[in-house]
Amino acid sequence: QKEVEQNSGPLSVPEGAIASLNCTYSDRGSQSFFWYRQYSGKSPELIMSIYSNGDKEDGRFTAQLNKASQYVSLLIRDSQPSDSATYLCAVNGGGNQFYFGTGTSLTVIP
Amino acid sequence: DAGITQSPRYKITETGRQVTLMCHQTWSHSYMFWYRQDLGHGLRLIYYSAAADITDKGEVPDGYVVSRSKTENFPLTLESATRSQTSVYFCASNPLSGRAYEQYFGPGTRLTVT
Repeated sequence: QKEVEQNSGPLSVPEGAIASLNCTYSDRGSQSFFWYRQYSGKSPELIMSIYSNGDKEDGRFTAQLNKASQYVSLLIRDSQPSDSATYLCAVNGGGNQFYFGTGTSLTVIP
Repeated sequence: DAGITQSPRYKITETGRQVTLMCHQTWSHSYMFWYRQDLGHGLRLIYYSAAADITDKGEVPDGYVVSRSKTENFPLTLESATRSQTSVYFCASNPLSGRAYEQYFGPGTRLTVT
């Protein structure tokens, strides 16, 4: 069973702070990593993908990947109340099977 | 640009009934997926399809049937619904080329089995 683990939270940060979301995965052969944002009652929305070790930045979002430690993280800088959502980590180990974590709930306090 | 649509958005059915959830995408993506989302389990893959007439099981396929006669449609059928199939069902797709593994989700169908 391939596992993707996330802290369920809830994680609360004040507006303007950095939110740090973490994810670990069990399949060492995993190749592709994704972060999705899901608002309550809505579908997951892709916000970041990362394929190689290191950092990838897109606006206020930075994804970090460390394959040796089997760890992927998402940093949200200058957090806004509109960032309040559940963040899902997803891992693809090859082929087209994706494994999702249960998500981390983030609340940004104005 | 409609993307992925799902119908119905909400469905209540009785135990033992057959129910079909529809998924339609306008991007001509090769791959399509069905997930269910339950509290404490996250998203779990039910079935996926690489192309028309090609389908394969995911993590939790029991009790479900899929077909894909056209690239744009990927219906999911619960042949005899059970209460344990009460869930939110999401359809997703991703293209074969380019950002091949970036999945895009439909709005979901909330299914209640009584």
